[in-house]
Amino acid sequence: GAVVSQHPSRVICKSGTSVKIECRSLDFQATTMFWYRQFPKQSLMLMATSNEGSKATYEQGVEKDKFLINHASLTLSTLTVTSAHPEDSSFYICSARDIGRRYGYTFGSGTRLTVV
Amino acid sequence: GIQVEQSPPDLILQEGANSTLRCNFSDSVNNLQWFHQNPWGQLINLFYIPSGTKQNGRLSATTVATERYSLLYISSSQTTDSGVYFCAVNSGGGADGLTFGKGTHLIIQP
Repeated sequence: GAVVSQHPSRVICKSGTSVKIECRSLDFQATTMFWYRQFPKQSLMLMATSNEGSKATYEQGVEKDKFLINHASLTLSTLTVTSAHPEDSSFYICSARDIGRRYGYTFGSGTRLTVV
Repeated sequence: GIQVEQSPPDLILQEGANSTLRCNFSDSVNNLQWFHQNPWGQLINLFYIPSGTKQNGRLSATTVATERYSLLYISSSQTTDSGVYFCAVNSGGGADGLTFGKGTHLIIQP
């Protein structure tokens, strides 16, 4: 139980273009989802909290206009990296928690973004 | 915010050895999880353990919340245990994200 699906798993895009990443909770509803970023050989850092039906909250230093988050339903959150640049290349992972079960947080399989 | 420190940062062992990974945190927590990140980046949830002791096969974990630390034990290590082990916590409820430690990079040699 408590499965989170993330797509795509890997994307290569040209500098200046936008990329959308989807995160779905498959067997539970999630009013809150989380987006993390991981640079090579580093830990995961929370970028933003996605709230169903309202604006996302961003961690300090994360540009909300560059990383657009939409959480339009109880099972889907999307992260759009706008006007991507090579420094945005990273591993992006989403997470959600099924508060009805004591499993803690479940993570998607991640998206490896490369901007060329 | 809450601080998470993991030790050791790197660990190299021979197959069959036992190991203990430590996670110290700076404040009381409502959630503590241990993850194994495989070479493809997938985070595998090993334990949800804000307090107490749990065991799952060759792995076990103990969290002493009053002393603000958690331990992950791996017995009879296998090469497939290699990877990065993360401890992650939060002190709020389900609306708060997790704070991760820097991880322990474990290499099990055949």
